[in-house]
Amino acid sequence: EVQLAESGGGLVQPGGSLRLSCAASGFTFSNYWMTWVRQAPGKGLEWVANINEDGSDKYYVDSVKGRFTISRDNAKNSLYLQMNSLRAEDTAVYYCADWNSSSGDFQDWGQGTLVTVSS
Amino acid sequence: DIQMTQSPSSVSASVGDRVTITCRASQGISSYLAWYQQKPGKAPKLLIYTAFNLRGGVPSRFSGSGSGTDFTLTISSLQPEDFATYYCQQAKSFPLTFGGGTKVEIK
Repeated sequence: EVQLAESGGGLVQPGGSLRLSCAASGFTFSNYWMTWVRQAPGKGLEWVANINEDGSDKYYVDSVKGRFTISRDNAKNSLYLQMNSLRAEDTAVYYCADWNSSSGDFQDWGQGTLVTVSS
Repeated sequence: DIQMTQSPSSVSASVGDRVTITCRASQGISSYLAWYQQKPGKAPKLLIYTAFNLRGGVPSRFSGSGSGTDFTLTISSLQPEDFATYYCQQAKSFPLTFGGGTKVEIK
């Protein structure tokens, strides 16, 4: 059974940094693209970033480019999101998911971790 | 960027009703369209991929159709567990984008 478990969320001041982690199990992590998707309170879903199987290819939504960095450690079956220069509008539940690079959909999702940016 | 527009934003329906949700892309995306179901406080769940393929374990009352710019998610006979918010997502190109969501509520 595929399991994805996010951690690292919390309260941070504007301009601060936070690193999210996602621990994966139940599938061959190194064979999959991975992704972060976020959801602001009461709002819809927003794709944030993707990373390919070996970490050599990355894509970001414009609003986080230059501030967020997606990375992975295949030896640890872990995905990360380093978030710097955080803004109030980054407040959201952040989900990790595996991404089917052939069909482009997000197949399995974690339970999410809440990031709150506020002074 | 490809914009995804869902309609309606909400629908009230009764158990047993047929419910149809539409999703329109701002440019052609072939069949690169997925549908998700999300219940309050839970992560989204993939229902349909590449426009009409049902994910394993998803009840057959869910179906998807369309290609190009216009797509439809149909629930043939609404069940109590289907009351949720549904999102479409284009998978044609980065940035990957979602529709605004359709909340299916109890009438």
